[in-house]
Amino acid sequence: GENVEQHPSTLSVQEGDSAVIKCTYSDSASNYFPWYKQELGKRPQLIIDIRSNVGEKKDQRIAVTLNKTAKHFSLHITETQPEDSAVYFCAASEGSSNTGKLIFGQGTTLQVKP
Amino acid sequence: GAGVSQTPSNKVTEKGKYVELRCDPISGHTALYWYRQSLGQGPEFLIYFQGTGAADDSGLPNDRFFAVRPEGSVSTLKIQRTERGDSAVYLCASSPSGGNQPQHFGDGTRLSIL
Repeated sequence: GENVEQHPSTLSVQEGDSAVIKCTYSDSASNYFPWYKQELGKRPQLIIDIRSNVGEKKDQRIAVTLNKTAKHFSLHITETQPEDSAVYFCAASEGSSNTGKLIFGQGTTLQVKP
Repeated sequence: GAGVSQTPSNKVTEKGKYVELRCDPISGHTALYWYRQSLGQGPEFLIYFQGTGAADDSGLPNDRFFAVRPEGSVSTLKIQRTERGDSAVYLCASSPSGGNQPQHFGDGTRLSIL
């Protein structure tokens, strides 16, 4: 089955700096890769996603890149703000089932210092 | 509201008791997912419904766990003979029709087994 590894587990940056979170996956058939932001005690919120037919996607200060050959994808946040502080999860769809079943990484706690 | 709704928000019960957790998906979404999130971890897949049928229940940990969605809308996750290890946040998500479509999560039910 699919396995997703996420790094780093914690990340601290100064306000205005960029933050990068990286994930690798094992199932070459996976074709959907969402990123979720989860604040303490709240629901995971979808912030951006990418499908395997695209190499990069951007939405304002957030971008995601996908390297299918290397089986890794990354989240890039530019001009970070204190409200970006949260836990970020990457996920990959289980390719063999095509049900949308998501396998999540272990999470990255991002702290943006004012 | 138009989002995924889960009740109760918190449930505390004694070991050995039976519990039911409810999920009301976004109106019109045929795909419904249950995940379990332990402290400091990413969500783990439990079961996926497409309409009324459980299309993938491969994530249910054992036969004490069962879920239904009799009318293709509201779903109930049922746990028999609860154990302390069942303590976690149980999250529900829905998407328009499954596959690689964005999944939107509810706030979850925090289950504590004493």
